[in-house]
Amino acid sequence: QSVLTQPPSVSAAPGQKVTISCSGSSSNLGNNYVSWYQQLPGTAPKLLIYDNNKRPSGIPDRLSVSKSGTSATLGITGLQTGDEADYYCGTWDSSLSAVVFGGGTKLTVL
Amino acid sequence: QVQLQESGSGLVKPSETLSLTCAVSDYSISSGYYWGWIRQPPGKGLEWIGSIYHSGSTYYNPSLKSRVTISVDMSKNQFSLKLSSVTAADTAVYFCARPVGATRHDAFDIWGQGTMVTVSS
Repeated sequence: QSVLTQPPSVSAAPGQKVTISCSGSSSNLGNNYVSWYQQLPGTAPKLLIYDNNKRPSGIPDRLSVSKSGTSATLGITGLQTGDEADYYCGTWDSSLSAVVFGGGTKLTVL
Repeated sequence: QVQLQESGSGLVKPSETLSLTCAVSDYSISSGYYWGWIRQPPGKGLEWIGSIYHSGSTYYNPSLKSRVTISVDMSKNQFSLKLSSVTAADTAVYFCARPVGATRHDAFDIWGQGTMVTVSS
């Protein structure tokens, strides 16, 4: 199982807001920045958010991240059908000296 | 714009060694960054394999460390992955990637397209 815990799936209607949680421990999310990725079928992951709340160029501000202690949450507002994808959280684990990922969450836009 | 391209054998026999290379374009590996390998078994999540700095220092996933070697060839501007004693559990799409910051291990913003490796006799 993954070091970081995410729900397997979430869903919401177009135009609505959805949140995806990511839970870890003091050795990873508790003391390191979280990143979030979007992966469309058959493609490489795309970095959406890093350093808790920074967005690479071209990433819309419909995405936001909140972080508290050993957990983080990705929020997506104004859902579009194009947002249907798998989403992964990731961070550095200081105890393992390793990059760790969540198991991924499949977002369905109903 | 920096580009990464994986290459290598797509079919490896059980107990043999998987070998992949990531060619880097429009950026010199010798300038810095930790260059990483990540894999994804079919229908499953992402797993970090390890990273290498241009100096040659490496970090490996503890669960794979005994079987993994990552090396860099600055003359060819590429880095490589070797995974020994493979089993069917090593069947996956293998990605090479570069983090967003020069001293970072995580937050990968540049990815190769990925290459499928199947372990089968």
